[in-house]
Amino acid sequence: GENVEQHPSTLSVQEGDSAVIKCTYSDSASNYFPWYKQELGKRPQLIIDIRSNVGEKKDQRIAVTLNKTAKHFSLHITETQPEDSAVYFCAATQGAQKLVFGQGTRLTINP
Amino acid sequence: GAVVSQHPSWVICKSGTSVKIECRSLDFQATTMFWYRQFPKQSLMLMATSNEGSKATYEQGVEKDKFLINHASLTLSTLTVTSAHPEDSSFYICSASRHSGNTEAFFGQGTRLTVV
Repeated sequence: GENVEQHPSTLSVQEGDSAVIKCTYSDSASNYFPWYKQELGKRPQLIIDIRSNVGEKKDQRIAVTLNKTAKHFSLHITETQPEDSAVYFCAATQGAQKLVFGQGTRLTINP
Repeated sequence: GAVVSQHPSWVICKSGTSVKIECRSLDFQATTMFWYRQFPKQSLMLMATSNEGSKATYEQGVEKDKFLINHASLTLSTLTVTSAHPEDSSFYICSASRHSGNTEAFFGQGTRLTVV
């Protein structure tokens, strides 16, 4: 089955700097890669996703890149703000919405 | 976006009792819903796939007799934790998608279960 590895487990950046979180997956059949943001005690919220027919996607300060050959994808947050502080999860699936999550990254934005 | 509602948001129960958690899709029909479990500071682990009108599919290592799943309608799936023990204490969360295939999964608000 699918296995998703996520790094780093914790990340601390200065406000205004960029943050990058990386994930690798094992199943070459996976074709949908969402990223979720989860605040303490709350439900995960989708922040961006990418499908395997696309190499990069951007939405304002957030971007995701996908390298199918290497089986890795990354989340990039630019101009970070204190409200970006949360736990971020990557996930992979091959179409059944059966998401396999990475271990999560606790992002802290220091003012 | 689509709304998935989960109830209750938190519950405390005594060891040996059973607890039922409901997951509803409020503005769409969901033939498939998913149940996850999340321990503190850890990731979401898929427990089972809930299939409307048929048996749930459980992930390896998840006891189907302990975690009973019923998906009796297109908008409701229930997870019952039977004979709960303190080690069952966790955050349980469901998800559903509006359409099949690679579309956004919407999560319920989660249920924090504490077994005392």
